[in-house]
Amino acid sequence: GDSVTQMEGPVTLSEEAFLTINCTYTATGYPSLFWYVQYPGEGLQLLLKATKADDKGSNKGFEATYRKETTSFHLEKGSVQVSDSAVYFCALSDQGGGSQGNLIFGKGTKLSVKP
Amino acid sequence: DTGVSQNPRHKITKRGQNVTFRCDPISEHNRLYWYRQTLGQGPEFLTYFQNEAQLEKSRLLSDRFSAERPKGSFSTLEIQRTEQGDSAMYLCASSAENSPLHFGNGTRLTVT
Repeated sequence: GDSVTQMEGPVTLSEEAFLTINCTYTATGYPSLFWYVQYPGEGLQLLLKATKADDKGSNKGFEATYRKETTSFHLEKGSVQVSDSAVYFCALSDQGGGSQGNLIFGKGTKLSVKP
Repeated sequence: DTGVSQNPRHKITKRGQNVTFRCDPISEHNRLYWYRQTLGQGPEFLTYFQNEAQLEKSRLLSDRFSAERPKGSFSTLEIQRTEQGDSAMYLCASSAENSPLHFGNGTRLTVT
């Protein structure tokens, strides 16, 4: 079945460092891909999404590109801030077209940014 | 937009007891989802409603679990004869068609 694998954490970075969180997926069709973020004490929030190959999702300085050839959707940010400290989840939906619903999540990667 | 509301925030129960959780979605959202998240894992899909109709159920949803959304607004998730393995965070989310899921803060269940 479909699955998502993301790099294990925790990841600890200094402020202004470059961030990469790796995510790869297995899917039989053409899934939509998502990154969700969970800040301490809050619910999951959609960070960005991409619905087809070579699409780039971006939000709040974060970016991820849908790479069909490598089945990857790595999350990047050029300069992290303390406020980016959170747990990041990669997810896919096999419903296509950006629709969500039955999302398949990775295990999450905890990011801690030190001042 | 008051967000997705879940109650209670925490529930501690003894093994074998029944528990019920409530989810109030964002009012204009016709889709409602339940997920379960255990420690160190990502959320796992349990079930999905469109209005009052339960359209999809995961095989994770054993016959001890039942979910309802009687009037297409709030939803309840009941677990009968709880087991220690049911201890988890139960997440509710809602959405309009083709819009992002909005998650609640979850109900943390501890079965002793």
